Amino acid sequence: NAGVTQTPKFQVLKTGQSMTLQCAQDMNHEYMSWYRQDPGMGLRLIHYSVGAGITDQGEVPNGYNVSRSTTEDFPLRLLSAAPSQTSVYFCASSYSRTLLGGNTIYFGEGSWLTVV
Amino acid sequence: GNSVTQMEGPVTLSEEAFLTINCTYTATGYPSLFWYVQYPGEGLQLLLKATKADDKGSNKGFEATYRKETTSFHLEKGSVQVSDSAVYFCALSGSLRYSGGGADGLTFGKGTHLIIQP
Repeated sequence: NAGVTQTPKFQVLKTGQSMTLQCAQDMNHEYMSWYRQDPGMGLRLIHYSVGAGITDQGEVPNGYNVSRSTTEDFPLRLLSAAPSQTSVYFCASSYSRTLLGGNTIYFGEGSWLTVV
Repeated sequence: GNSVTQMEGPVTLSEEAFLTINCTYTATGYPSLFWYVQYPGEGLQLLLKATKADDKGSNKGFEATYRKETTSFHLEKGSVQVSDSAVYFCALSGSLRYSGGGADGLTFGKGTHLIIQP
C-alpha cells in the first residue's frame, strides 16, 4: 500500500515551459486535491476533485489545469510556467469529500518546483 | 471565512524543554482540527487530530485539546527532543466556499518552525 505517490520530487523549469506533476493513490479515495506551499503562506488549495470526471477550482487555480480520468490519478498541469509558480506542491487524498468526524486527508511527499 | 492563526517562529528550545505552539481559529460550524508536521525535506504527516469540543488528540508525546470557548487548539509536549525539529502546521476542516458546499477542504496556518538544540 503506497499511499499517495507524487512525481517528480524535484524539477527545474524555464519560464514558459509546460509540465505535469503526477499524483496517484492506491487507497480508492474519492477525494483528491493539490496544494502549494510557499514560505510564510502555509498551504493553499489549487484544485480538487470529488471523483472521476469531476474537478473544481480552489483558492489559487490560475495557471494550472487538472483532470481526473480515473479514481487513482490526479495530474496537475502547468500550462506556461512562471517564476511565481516556484513552490512546493503537495497532492492529497481522502476517503470522502466530507471531512466531518475527522476524516483524514493524506499527503504525498511533495514536489519541489523551481521556475527560472 | 475560515482562518487559522499560529505563531510563526522560529521557536528555539533546548532539549527536554516544555513546548507550546499556539493555534487559534475562526470557523463557521463545527470543524475538525489537525496538527500536521513537516520534517526537513519531507512531506506533511498528520500528527494528531480532534473532531469535537473538549476532544484531546495525542501522538508521539504531543497533545492538543479542542477548546471551543477560546477557539484554540494549542500543541504541547512535555519534553522535546532534537528529532522534533520540524515545521508544524495547524489546520481545520471546513466546507470549500468555491464548491457551493459540495466538498470540504483544509485551511492551514502559516506554519511554526521549531528548532530544538542539544
